[in-house]
Order: sequence, then structure tokens, then C-alpha cells
Amino acid sequence: DAGVTQSPTHLIKTRGQQVTLRCSPKSGHDTVSWYQQALGQGPQFIFQYYEEEERQRGNFPDRFSGHQFPNYSSELNVNALLLGDSALYLCASSSQAGTSYNEQFFGPGTRLTVL
Amino acid sequence: QQQVKQSPQSLIVQKGGISIINCAYENTAFDYFPWYQQFPGKGPALLIAIRPDVSEKKEGRFTISFNKSAKQFSLHIMDSQPGDSATYFCAAQTGGGNKLTFGTGTQLKVEL
Repeated sequence: DAGVTQSPTHLIKTRGQQVTLRCSPKSGHDTVSWYQQALGQGPQFIFQYYEEEERQRGNFPDRFSGHQFPNYSSELNVNALLLGDSALYLCASSSQAGTSYNEQFFGPGTRLTVL
Repeated sequence: QQQVKQSPQSLIVQKGGISIINCAYENTAFDYFPWYQQFPGKGPALLIAIRPDVSEKKEGRFTISFNKSAKQFSLHIMDSQPGDSATYFCAAQTGGGNKLTFGTGTQLKVEL
């Protein structure tokens, strides 16, 4: 049973460009959350998707947008990249069903470097 | 706003010793408190979690102690091993399946 998978592993972009990151949730999970982890910091919540809609959003600008597909996979899009967007982007999946709805399982992340 | 404060920032423990990491929170609406372990270049892995209706939860060498009145919780790693060397994050969550608010992390090194 595959866990949470993310692609690509690493990405290098220049300021002003746009980037799309992808996530496939753990089998049986229907909810995807995205987090940004700067070097030496804890993950910061960006937003969460459930039933193909944005369910919650953290304190991130509109340059950050997302999408969830019918198969529960998700994309994170960042427009007009800034140097400060350089970070590890983590996807976490969970299930709204059952008693384990609190448990969020993280993927390996995508390391984004903005030059 | 820092809603979950974690200490210490770094910790060095001898093999076989006890590692203790502390967290404090402000939001009384938090009702789920997980700990994550993260190795370099990897995503955080769920280690153990507790709800505020119990004061302690133990899984193997890992124990969470929870003090609801003080709004504090801690992770104890018994018989610490070099393989435990990693960064540990406490987190808190309100309601079911909602966003996780993380602490700033503790870098643990277990020496031989």
C-alpha cells in the first residue's frame, strides 16, 4: 500500500515564474492538506481540500492556489514566485471517515528553490 | 502568532538516556495533539498522538504526558538510541481533520 506520494522531488525556478506541485494521497484517504516548511522551521498550513473544494486556508496570499481531482489527488500552484517561496512543500492526506480522521500522513515533500 | 511553543530547540542525549521535549499551547479549542518525527530530506512521520481526555499515552519507548490545566504536553523517549536522532515536532489540531499547527521543532542527537 503506497503512502502519500509527491512529484517532483526537487524543482528549481526563477523569480516571477509559476510552479505546479502534485500529490497523491494514501489509499483510502479523501482529504489533502498542503504545508510549507522553510528551512529549520515547522510546517505552516497553506490549505486543505475535501470533495474537490478548498475547505480551510492558512495565512498565504492568493498566489497560492490548489485543486483536488475526483480521484482525490491534488495540485498546488504558486504564481509569481518570490525568493521567499523557497521551501519544502509537504502534502498530507487524511480521511474524514471513521475514528482516525485526525491523523494526517505526510509525503516526502517537494523541495522548491527559487533563484 | 505562535500558538504552539516548543522547547528546547536542540537536545543532546547519551544512548540509553531519556529525551524530553516540551510544548505549550494557548488555544483551548485544540483537541488533538500529535508528535511527528522528521529525518533530513524526508516528510514528517506521525509518531504518537493524544487527546485531552487522558493524561498519558505510551507506545513502546515513546510516552506523551498531557497537562490540560497548564496547557502543556511533552514527549518522553525512553532508552534513547542513535537511530532516534531526528527533528521532532509537536502539533495541535482543532476539530476533526482540521489544520495542524506545529511547534518550531527540536533537533535531537543521541550520542553513543
